[in-house]
Amino acid sequence: ETGVTQSPTHLIKTRGQQVTLRCSSQSGHNTVSWYQQALGQGPQFIFQYYREEENGRGNFPPRFSGLQFPNYSSELNVNALELDDSALYLCASSLEDGREQFFGPGTRLTVL
Amino acid sequence: KNEVEQSPQNLTAQEGEFITINCSYSVGISALHWLQQHPGGGIVSLFMLSSGKKKHGRLIATINIQEKHSSLHITASHPRDSAVYICAVNDGGATNKLIFGTGTLLAVQP
Repeated sequence: ETGVTQSPTHLIKTRGQQVTLRCSSQSGHNTVSWYQQALGQGPQFIFQYYREEENGRGNFPPRFSGLQFPNYSSELNVNALELDDSALYLCASSLEDGREQFFGPGTRLTVL
Repeated sequence: KNEVEQSPQNLTAQEGEFITINCSYSVGISALHWLQQHPGGGIVSLFMLSSGKKKHGRLIATINIQEKHSSLHITASHPRDSAVYICAVNDGGATNKLIFGTGTLLAVQP
């Protein structure tokens, strides 16, 4: 059984740039949730994808967008990066009920 | 006020001590989770609870649904237990998204 993987591990961007983060879900899981964790805080829900459709969204602006592919892997795209976007981005995969979520190692994004 | 509150925020213990971390929540939930996060960032699930008590090795988790409160206990603590412990709840909505506490930073000294 393959666990949740994320790439890249670390990323440095400058303000105004765009970034794409990737997540491969655990085998058998069809749902992916993305979370943003600022330094010293708990993760905050960005959105969830189920069967290639956005299933729900947290309090994040539209410049945060995502995709899910037929193999259930997922991307998180952030446009017009701001300094406050610097954070650890976590994806978690689950079955459709979303109760038990398995986390990837995260991508640490630094915006300069 | 956060929907999930943890206490204490920071905890330093001596090896062998019994440790308790508390979590209170103010929303309806479908389950509560205790998670462990090491400095590298990865999150590992320790327990998922919807009622009662669970035990795994030296770790014990309890939940009181009526009081909206959960505790994580570590018996005979060890320096390798040093990590951030996070309480999170599934909100029971369409996505069953997780709402997280801010975590408890535990340092166990030898």
